[in-house]
Amino acid sequence: EIQLQQSGPELVKPGASVKVSCKASGYSFTDYNMYWVKQSHGKSLEWIGYIDPYNGGTSYNQKFKGKATLTVDKSSSTAFMHLNSLTSEDSAVYYCARGLGRRTWFAYWGQGTLVTVSA
Amino acid sequence: DIVLTQSPASLAVSLGQRATISCKASQSVDYDGDSYMNWYQQKPGQPPKLLIYAASNLESGIPARFSGSGSGTDFTLNIHPVEEEDAATYYCQQSNEDPLTFGAGTKLELK
Repeated sequence: EIQLQQSGPELVKPGASVKVSCKASGYSFTDYNMYWVKQSHGKSLEWIGYIDPYNGGTSYNQKFKGKATLTVDKSSSTAFMHLNSLTSEDSAVYYCARGLGRRTWFAYWGQGTLVTVSA
Repeated sequence: DIVLTQSPASLAVSLGQRATISCKASQSVDYDGDSYMNWYQQKPGQPPKLLIYAASNLESGIPARFSGSGSGTDFTLNIHPVEEEDAATYYCQQSNEDPLTFGAGTKLELK
């Protein structure tokens, strides 16, 4: 069974950073890109970027360049998203999702990680 | 960026009736004969669930009462007959061009 298991909720202070993880199982981790999507409370979805676990190559939505950094640990089949200089605008649920190449769709999603930025 | 405009923002449908959701793209999402528009269903507290990919292909395990159509810039998701469990928010998403973008969502309620 294909699963994407994300890390738990985070409460962080403004200006701090956070690292969200997404552990993949049930498939060959390096065969599929890992995408990250943001959903602010009650709002729609925004694509942050993706990483190719095979070679570590990344592509980011211009809006999130400098905000998000995507990495992977192939040994543990885990993808990570690091968010820096957090503000209240970064409070949201963050999802990882598996995609294949360009022009992809997302059949598998993590359960989501709630990041709350508050003093 | 490709902007996806969904309509209506919300709709209320009776059990057994048809729900139709529109998604219009600011530019074509076609490439090499295929249309890269996908549809998702999301319920509160859950991640989105893929219903339709590449405009008209039903994802495995999704009931046949869901169907997608369209090409170029105009796409439609139909649900018929609507069942109780279909109450949710529906999103279109284009994957033809980076950045991938989503529509604002359509909330389906049951009358």
